[in-house]
Amino acid sequence: GAGVSQSPSNKVTEKGKDVELRCDPISGHTALYWYRQSLGQGLEFLIYFQGNSAPDKSGLPSDRFSAERTGGSVSTLTIQRTQQEDSAVYLCASSLARHQGSNYGYTFGSGTRLTVV
Amino acid sequence: GESVGLHLPTLSVQEGDNSIINCAYSNSASDYFIWYKQESGKGPQFIIDIRSNMDKRQGQRVTVLLNKTVKHLSLQIAATQPGDSAVYFCAENGMTGYSTLTFGKGTMLLVSP
Repeated sequence: GAGVSQSPSNKVTEKGKDVELRCDPISGHTALYWYRQSLGQGLEFLIYFQGNSAPDKSGLPSDRFSAERTGGSVSTLTIQRTQQEDSAVYLCASSLARHQGSNYGYTFGSGTRLTVV
Repeated sequence: GESVGLHLPTLSVQEGDNSIINCAYSNSASDYFIWYKQESGKGPQFIIDIRSNMDKRQGQRVTVLLNKTVKHLSLQIAATQPGDSAVYFCAENGMTGYSTLTFGKGTMLLVSP
């Protein structure tokens, strides 16, 4: 597609439930990133996929969080047993290149606003 | 620890004024910096970037200045318009071995007509 698409745009869930957030990156972008943005805060890195390499999961806050990327395209971020502190906007971005000195050119989606009640 | 931060959380200007948004970084290993603009309900949008071998780069109505001596980055917006009202983030690449970007907390720019 023309941009990065995320769904759903909004999600309200009960504490303890599992949620899945979806990201469709720009076609041909080999790198895909998930970030979390809490109210009034900057963007917190969660996980990064580059081509067929093992993902960089160093930003995932707990083992309740996981993500996968199927066929090098669509990615799903799963949060199990959601807690109220998981409430945030989850942003996905994709880019063509990520190497030192190159233009990262992240293109972000509009995000999924997750509210855990 | 090292981080990217901003001096002013909120900046209010009048339409037509020039705006300057500042960012301090402390990771000397960073060699690539980006400014993003985020409007309400949208994802961050790329504005302009700069590599560490440059100290100034200009775009349309925007200029980014990099002072590596004091580890300072700024975004200048000329003739600010109401449509420039948004949160502006700076980001650097050196915090994670250049694999991902690290973002600051952001500055809210409010432009009054």
